[in-house]
Amino acid sequence: EVVMTQSPATLSVSPGERATLSCRASQSVSSNLAWHQQKPGQAPRLLIYGASTRATGIPARFSGSGSGTEFTLTISSLQSEDFAVYYCQQYNNWPLTFGGGTKVEIK
Amino acid sequence: QVQLVQSGAEVKKPGASVKVSCKASGYTFTDNDINWARQATGQGLEWMGWMSPNSGNTGYAQKFQGRVTMTTNTSVNTAYMELSSLKSEDTAVYYCARGRLHHPWGQGTLVTVSS
Repeated sequence: EVVMTQSPATLSVSPGERATLSCRASQSVSSNLAWHQQKPGQAPRLLIYGASTRATGIPARFSGSGSGTEFTLTISSLQSEDFAVYYCQQYNNWPLTFGGGTKVEIK
Repeated sequence: QVQLVQSGAEVKKPGASVKVSCKASGYTFTDNDINWARQATGQGLEWMGWMSPNSGNTGYAQKFQGRVTMTTNTSVNTAYMELSSLKSEDTAVYYCARGRLHHPWGQGTLVTVSS
């Protein structure tokens, strides 16, 4: 199975600053990579699919990039509602797999 | 709007089975697969498997093969996930989600396994 590795595990950022999250796949997943955001006590929600396409209603401060095995989620200017855990997920191969998550916390 | 609404929390004893439902609305149920994932407290997301409401085809993660059964009832736009031979390690929130993109997710169902 494709192992997804996210780094860092925790990212401490001040509001208004830029956050950069990384996701690495153990083999190529082409651009079949999604990012999900999960806030405490809530279900995850889709942010990005196709590595770089924002889901409906997702603010433009969220952007995704990469292909193959290296991917990045960037939040250009962190808002209070963006402090959460972010998961990458590949949907190129079965079984589908998630990364372990990156927690973005207030610095 | 597209929505998945799951059944309520369950408490089960070790060795028992649990069946979680996921009712879809706002789209044509047979147009998209339903995926299931779970999340233990404080842990990450673990994909369990998928089912096609259109074809009836399923695919399960190897870890759950032989213990999980995913079904659908297209007359009521509902998907089901049954997990048998429950152990304490199966205590988790179980989610359904539409399609490989997992969009949207259901609200989650807490399953507690305790003697």
